[in-house]
Amino acid sequence: GAGVSQTPSNKVTEKGKYVELRCDPISGHTALYWYRQSLGQGPEFLIYFQGTGAADDSGLPNDRFFAVRPEGSVSTLKIQRTERGDSAVYLCASSQLVPGELFFGEGSRLTVL
Amino acid sequence: EDQVTQSPEALRLQEGESSSLNCSYTVSGLRGLFWYRQDPGKGPEFLFTLYSAGEEKEKERLKATLTKKESFLHITAPKPEDSATYLCAVQVRTGGFKTIFGAGTRLFVKA
Repeated sequence: GAGVSQTPSNKVTEKGKYVELRCDPISGHTALYWYRQSLGQGPEFLIYFQGTGAADDSGLPNDRFFAVRPEGSVSTLKIQRTERGDSAVYLCASSQLVPGELFFGEGSRLTVL
Repeated sequence: EDQVTQSPEALRLQEGESSSLNCSYTVSGLRGLFWYRQDPGKGPEFLFTLYSAGEEKEKERLKATLTKKESFLHITAPKPEDSATYLCAVQVRTGGFKTIFGAGTRLFVKA
């Protein structure tokens, strides 16, 4: 596709449920990033993939959060036992050059009731 | 700890009133400083990359500059369509390369 695609655009779930958020990066981009953004805040780094491997997962807040990128393209962010504090916009970005600018998707807005 | 601080948090300007946004950073292993624009409900959109102190980049009414400790985004004669949140980010070398964002400056330009 022409840009980074994220699905779903909106997800409402109940506390304790499991959620998956998908990111389809720009074709050919080897680097993929996940960020979380709360209202009025800048994007908070979660995890960065270079190819299939997680190069840096130091931003994952706890072991309820996990991300995969099995074939070096599409990535899935998985959140177990969701909590109300997980409510935020989850942004995905990809990059062709490292270091280099990031190209962001529109985000997935997660609301945990 | 790597840190990026932006000021002011919010800035209200009249159309045509020039001003500057500040980004100060404390990082180890800086590999680049980036400016992004974010409109409500959208993902950030890339504006500039700066790699070394003294470097400057320009695009329309925007000019970004970089020193060893901070970066400025200068806005000359802004228009209402420049209203957005401007995010500063630094890319640092860790195991790979991580990009850390500041909280942003919300700019409002009134006609």
